[in-house]
Amino acid sequence: AQTVTQSQPEMSVQEAETVTLSCTYDTSESDYYLFWYKQPPSRQMILVIRQEAYKQQNATENRFSVNFQKAAKSFSLKISDSQLGDAAMYFCAYRSIFQGAQKLVFGQGTRLTINP
Amino acid sequence: GAVVSQHPSWVICKSGTSVKIECRSLDFQATTMFWYRQFPKQSLMLMATSNEGSKATYEQGVEKDKFLINHASLTLSTLTVTSAHPEDSSFYICSARETVQETQYFGPGTRLLVL
Repeated sequence: AQTVTQSQPEMSVQEAETVTLSCTYDTSESDYYLFWYKQPPSRQMILVIRQEAYKQQNATENRFSVNFQKAAKSFSLKISDSQLGDAAMYFCAYRSIFQGAQKLVFGQGTRLTINP
Repeated sequence: GAVVSQHPSWVICKSGTSVKIECRSLDFQATTMFWYRQFPKQSLMLMATSNEGSKATYEQGVEKDKFLINHASLTLSTLTVTSAHPEDSSFYICSARETVQETQYFGPGTRLLVL
């Protein structure tokens, strides 16, 4: 079974600086999806970024980018120019690409604090 | 972006009563919806996967007779907590998978308190 590990329970960063959240996963599959979700204090889960494993190019969404290292099974999230609104729990998630494999496998989460 | 609504956002009930939570995909059709439970400061725990028009698939350890799931249309799934007890108090989150990109979008959650 696939597993997702976020080794940093908490991180903090100064406003306007850059922070990287780590995520590693374990799978025997060659193709899959990876996601980062954000859960602010409102507890609404928000999709931050998505990566297809067959794509070598790292996904980016404005200030958010990933460093996808397939061989190392690593999928870190970089947040540039951190803003106060980025404060949240961040969850890394894996999903198989195979038909019938539907559920997301979540990591334990990283709580990100932004210091003004 | 895709929007998922959840109703109610807050519910307080007496022990022994049943509570129904609705999950709707507002601007897309979802053949598959998911129900999660989240304890404070923890990750999401998948309870069940529901496919439109068929029985839900429950995760190990989740009582299907206690957590009734119905997915009668492509935009609506319901979770009914039957004979609720204080230990069922939790934050329940639904999500719906958009068919084209196969991305899951989440509802805002329902906080259940059983007295």
